[in-house]
Amino acid sequence: SQQGEEDPQALSIQEGENATMNCSYKTSINNLQWYRQNSGRGLVHLILIRSNEREKHSGRLRVTLDTSKKSSSLLITASRAADTASYFCAYNNAGNMLTFGGGTRLMVKP
Amino acid sequence: EAQVTQNPRYLITVTGKKLTVTCSQNMNHEYMSWYRQDPGLGLRQIYYSMNVEVTDKGDVPEGYKVSRKEKRNFPLILESPSPNQTSLYFCASTTSGGANIQYFGAGTRLSVL
Repeated sequence: SQQGEEDPQALSIQEGENATMNCSYKTSINNLQWYRQNSGRGLVHLILIRSNEREKHSGRLRVTLDTSKKSSSLLITASRAADTASYFCAYNNAGNMLTFGGGTRLMVKP
Repeated sequence: EAQVTQNPRYLITVTGKKLTVTCSQNMNHEYMSWYRQDPGLGLRQIYYSMNVEVTDKGDVPEGYKVSRKEKRNFPLILESPSPNQTSLYFCASTTSGGANIQYFGAGTRLSVL
């Protein structure tokens, strides 16, 4: 089900710039994840942050989580044209079910 | 290599002609799901399965059936497809133990005429 909201819905930047995407959710969570989807392809897991963590890094990705505000952000630094894709947050509050946000379409212009 | 394999990748069919989309995973995951993705509506879960012979409805189950006779396979069945089932479908397999990371298939683009 889609109970997370992402913003912006679309983002266009130049290569080399940073891209920031935000995700808000409504329930308590165990963890929050970010996925990437290239056009028409399956989603690929990027990074997971647990509810007791505030920040996590993986390569050029930085994720923050603020459980008091029920929000997370994904920062991609020094973007590349190959980063062009849709990015989805997904959170897990109980069991195995993930709830996905609506996604942010990122375009990185060379 | 960890994989979720869906077939076919593309399918054009006509209203009322039964079809099955297959899904297979090689990671020994217990939890599998089917999603459909439509413009402006995001990913919506159709059905999920927590283990062999255990399936349950997701958010949009109408018009779909699933079965889980073996752990690795989770086919999606459209008994009588209709044009509103034209969509991009994804199968996913989920790790357990708390992380619940989903591995997605490459997708099946279905057109029902």
